Amino acid sequence: AQKVTQAQTEISVVEKEDVTLDCVYETRDTTYYLFWYKQPPSGELVFLIRRNSFDEQNEISGRYSWNFQKSTSSFNFTITASQVVDSAVYFCALSEGTGRRALTFGSGTRLQVQP
Amino acid sequence: EAGVTQSPTHLIKTRGQQATLRCSPISGHTSVYWYQQALGLGLQFLLWYDEGEERNRGNFPPRFSGRQFPNYSSELNVNALELEDSALYLCASSFSGSSYNEQFFGPGTRLTVL
Repeated sequence: AQKVTQAQTEISVVEKEDVTLDCVYETRDTTYYLFWYKQPPSGELVFLIRRNSFDEQNEISGRYSWNFQKSTSSFNFTITASQVVDSAVYFCALSEGTGRRALTFGSGTRLQVQP
Repeated sequence: EAGVTQSPTHLIKTRGQQATLRCSPISGHTSVYWYQQALGLGLQFLLWYDEGEERNRGNFPPRFSGRQFPNYSSELNVNALELEDSALYLCASSFSGSSYNEQFFGPGTRLTVL
């Protein structure tokens, strides 16, 4: 069965610090997709990034970067030079196989960025 | 392009009543998913509709049901409301031609059961 674990319940940093959010997943499928979503206080989940199981290329997008490692079943997310607006709950999610199906979410990590 | 919309924003009901939540997907998306986000329980998958059919449901009792209309909008119905049904209900949609299953979420309906 698929499972996503976000061991960090809450992280608090001071503005301009770098912060990494951890995500570990379990799946028996060789084809799967991993996602990060951000949920600000307003409640709406905002899609950040998708990675498929065949693409281990890590990516940097502005202040965000992602580290996908199949060997350790991890898909970590780093914010560089954090800002107060980054304060939100971040969810890692997994979708097994190809095509449309329900996502399995981790329990989320609440990030508080203090000014 | 308009995103996923949900109505109402807030809904207050009493135990035993029925609640109806509505969702309109992004134009061109045929799949609609419903998730429940209850306090302390994270995001739990409820139902998936595609092309008017229920494709899958999560581990929820039958009093959670819904439907999808020809225009791909969807309703979630919760019968015989219980206090623990109080939660944020999120709707998401995805594009039928996507193998990546990127789901785009609406702002949610916060249901409070008194």
